[in-house]
Amino acid sequence: QVQLQESGPGLLKPSETLSLTCTVSGGSTSSGSYYWTWIRQPAGKGLEWIGRIYTSGTTSYNPSLKSRVTISVDTSKNQFSLELTSVTAADTALYFCAREPTGRDAYDIWGQGTVVTVSS
Amino acid sequence: DIQTTQPPSSLSASVGDRVTIPCRTSQSVGNYLNWYQQKPGKAPKLLVYSASTLQSGVPSRFSGSGSGTDFTLTITSLQPEDFATYYCQQSYSAPLTFGQGTRVHFK
Repeated sequence: QVQLQESGPGLLKPSETLSLTCTVSGGSTSSGSYYWTWIRQPAGKGLEWIGRIYTSGTTSYNPSLKSRVTISVDTSKNQFSLELTSVTAADTALYFCAREPTGRDAYDIWGQGTVVTVSS
Repeated sequence: DIQTTQPPSSLSASVGDRVTIPCRTSQSVGNYLNWYQQKPGKAPKLLVYSASTLQSGVPSRFSGSGSGTDFTLTITSLQPEDFATYYCQQSYSAPLTFGQGTRVHFK
């Protein structure tokens, strides 16, 4: 059974860089059958797609965040990661990683989410 | 960007009710439309993909319909565990956008 687990610092100061890792267990990030995605949700609000990466390293980002976002994959560790630079309070949210089977264009497995708070 | 909207933001219902949740996109997305259920503090759960295909393991009381710009999620007989927030998401073009969600609460 495939499971995803987010990890990373929960508290950042403005202007710092957010770094999160999603560890995949029971499956492989080197599989050519999936995209690996980051999504976030501010408290009490809706879901925002951040971006995704294919096993080849091809990425796609939300234009609203593109200048600050990098998603990478480490197949040797079975992990993929999110970096978001120059954070502000507006980046405070619950961050999810998720798996998207190619051709399905939907997220069938999600991590439990990790809260990131940006505060001085 | 394709805008995805879900009016209303909430609706009240009772156990056993038939519930329909609409979703509209600002331009045609074909059948690239998915539905998720989210309960407080939990990750969303995929219910329906490609507008009408039920995800494995999802009860058959859930169904999706529509194409183009107008879509509907239907719950034929609402169960206690179905009180949650439901999101639609277009996967036609990046950035992939979600609706703002429809919260189904107890009448």
